[in-house]
Amino acid sequence: QKEVEQDPGPLSVPEGAIVSLNCTYSNSAFQYFMWYRQYSRKGPELLMYTYSSGNKEDGRFTAQVDKSSKYISLFIRDSQPSDSATYLCAMSRSGTYKYIFGTGTRLKVLA
Amino acid sequence: GAVVSQHPSRVICKSGTSVKIECRSLDFQATTMFWYRQFPKQSLMLMATSNEGSKATYEQGVEKDKFLINHASLTLSTLTVTSAHPEDSSFYICSARGGGAGKETQYFGPGTRLLVL
Repeated sequence: QKEVEQDPGPLSVPEGAIVSLNCTYSNSAFQYFMWYRQYSRKGPELLMYTYSSGNKEDGRFTAQVDKSSKYISLFIRDSQPSDSATYLCAMSRSGTYKYIFGTGTRLKVLA
Repeated sequence: GAVVSQHPSRVICKSGTSVKIECRSLDFQATTMFWYRQFPKQSLMLMATSNEGSKATYEQGVEKDKFLINHASLTLSTLTVTSAHPEDSSFYICSARGGGAGKETQYFGPGTRLLVL
């Protein structure tokens, strides 16, 4: 079993839809949870950074962490075609600085 | 803020040559940089962790004599692929720890696409 599981997709949604992206994990020691967006042939871009449990909102993006269920989510409101990319979740234990990445979910927002 | 650059963005070389890739943190100091490799439609695979002024720590299965890493300053780390072969062709991405969001956060460079003929 992988430490971090993420559905690879592709996930296709119409423009304006609310998108829900998820990752599950097995290591209860993870404390830091990140979401990155990666366009084709580009480096990952940090979208959200969360420490421990709870919600965090930034514009159209909301990140949720449920440590009791070992489950994290990224919600994208009013999705746009420019949101079409691969979304990677990443997590780390305190003090290690090493990330464990999910496989990434490919998202397509259709105009 | 928190910008990381990589150079070159793309390189094509002949088998047997060595290729050097630079990773720079432009607006913050990075005591730790990471080097990743990514194959098409796959996630990032950590190759090594690079700390300024000390030897890099390589992940299991990564040949340290093949992939030489030098973290000479707080803003520069280099990855040299020695005696490159076609199987080394890949997308190499660096990241730097630090910047705005938190000390645990990694900011990624734009990547370097290596093609070995």
